[in-house]
Amino acid sequence: EPEVTQTPSHQVTQMGQEVILRCVPISNHLYFYWYRQILGQKVEFLVSFYNNEISEKSEIFDDQFSVERPDGSNFTLKIRSTKLEDSAMYFCASSPRGGYTFGSGTRLTVV
Amino acid sequence: GIQVEQSPPDLILQEGANSTLRCNFSDSVNNLQWFHQNPWGQLINLFYIPSGTKQNGRLSATTVATERYSLLYISSSQTTDSGVYFCAGHEGGGNKLTFGTGTQLKVEL
Repeated sequence: EPEVTQTPSHQVTQMGQEVILRCVPISNHLYFYWYRQILGQKVEFLVSFYNNEISEKSEIFDDQFSVERPDGSNFTLKIRSTKLEDSAMYFCASSPRGGYTFGSGTRLTVV
Repeated sequence: GIQVEQSPPDLILQEGANSTLRCNFSDSVNNLQWFHQNPWGQLINLFYIPSGTKQNGRLSATTVATERYSLLYISSSQTTDSGVYFCAGHEGGGNKLTFGTGTQLKVEL
């Protein structure tokens, strides 16, 4: 069964550093997403991406965040100048139209 | 505003027991999905169920869209069923998923 692949599975970074989280969505899917889950809380939408541009973003997704599809397979989330409160599990997902498939997540710890 | 509410918030079962998890959602929510978050944090897609009933092994789900609820049935529960179960839906015609707060399930021997 096709999978959404995320790397790395864990990342520890110093406060103020930039991180790039990587995702390989399912190849024939058209919509790509990033979500995050702070420990013990529910999963929150960050951004959706369609046709090589952002189609929707949440209030959380401010200028600190950016997404990119640098080639035909990868989808990245960049977090600039990380803060302690950015520590969370970050999930990438893709969908054809409905019915998401999530990746296994990247656990980001900012120290 | 958009609402996705789940009950119960916590559930403890003995292995072999059956359970029903409920998800209520507001008028603007559609295209329900159920996910299982395992103890390692992975989100596993269980069902994409905008309406009707689907079954997959010991799990089944029913969504009654006209009455704004969905149910997830777990039969003959096993310890590997432990984790958090989330329902989530799309708002209106968009693709963004709004998650409920989850049901934390623990299955004990």
